[in-house]
Amino acid sequence: EVQLVESGGGLVQPGRSLRLSCTASGFTFGDYAMSWVRQAPGKGLEWVGFIRSKAYGGTTEYAASVKGRFTISRDDSKSIAYLQMNSLKTEDTAVYYCTRVPTIATFDYWGQGTLVTVSS
Amino acid sequence: QSALTQPASVSGSPGQSITISCTGTSSDVGSYNLVSWYQQHPGKAPKLMIYEGSKRPSGVSNRFSGSKSGNTASLTISGLQAEDEADYYCCSYAGSSTFSYVFGTGTKVTVL
Repeated sequence: EVQLVESGGGLVQPGRSLRLSCTASGFTFGDYAMSWVRQAPGKGLEWVGFIRSKAYGGTTEYAASVKGRFTISRDDSKSIAYLQMNSLKTEDTAVYYCTRVPTIATFDYWGQGTLVTVSS
Repeated sequence: QSALTQPASVSGSPGQSITISCTGTSSDVGSYNLVSWYQQHPGKAPKLMIYEGSKRPSGVSNRFSGSKSGNTASLTISGLQAEDEADYYCCSYAGSSTFSYVFGTGTKVTVL
């Protein structure tokens, strides 16, 4: 059974950093691209970023709203994807979901999400 | 990249069919057959319902179907059931110049 479990969320002050983790199980993690999607309270879904599998270079892509502040990485030996968030803003407050990406624009499995609250 | 446009709400009676539209541009929906649809119940993670425009993942009811015409994608739910009441989001690849995915604004489906 495919499972994705996010961790690392919490309350953080504006301008500070936070790192989220996504621990995967039930599939060969290294074979898949992974993505992060967020949802502000009471709002819709917003794509945050994406990391390709090593077979496709392990390169990353980001939404314009987080480019230069957020970094996605992966440790295939541990089946973990990371989202490093720097220079956090109040508008980054959201539930952050980790997703598996088997093909372009397809997020087939989602974690339960972890809440990040940016507030002073 | 602007969000894809969806109606805020759609409603129907049990057994009826409803259609949710997802309107983009020639840079996203219109250029690629790479639209996916997600169902989200309150407090839950989204669930993939349709991918690559019209394909259904294993385990998703065949009451859900997807299509596209021009810059607009659509999700049709036939034989509406109480458990279909949820929020629905479309998503499209939008990467002609810069890699990007864009989600729709979301539609609340109410079963009357």
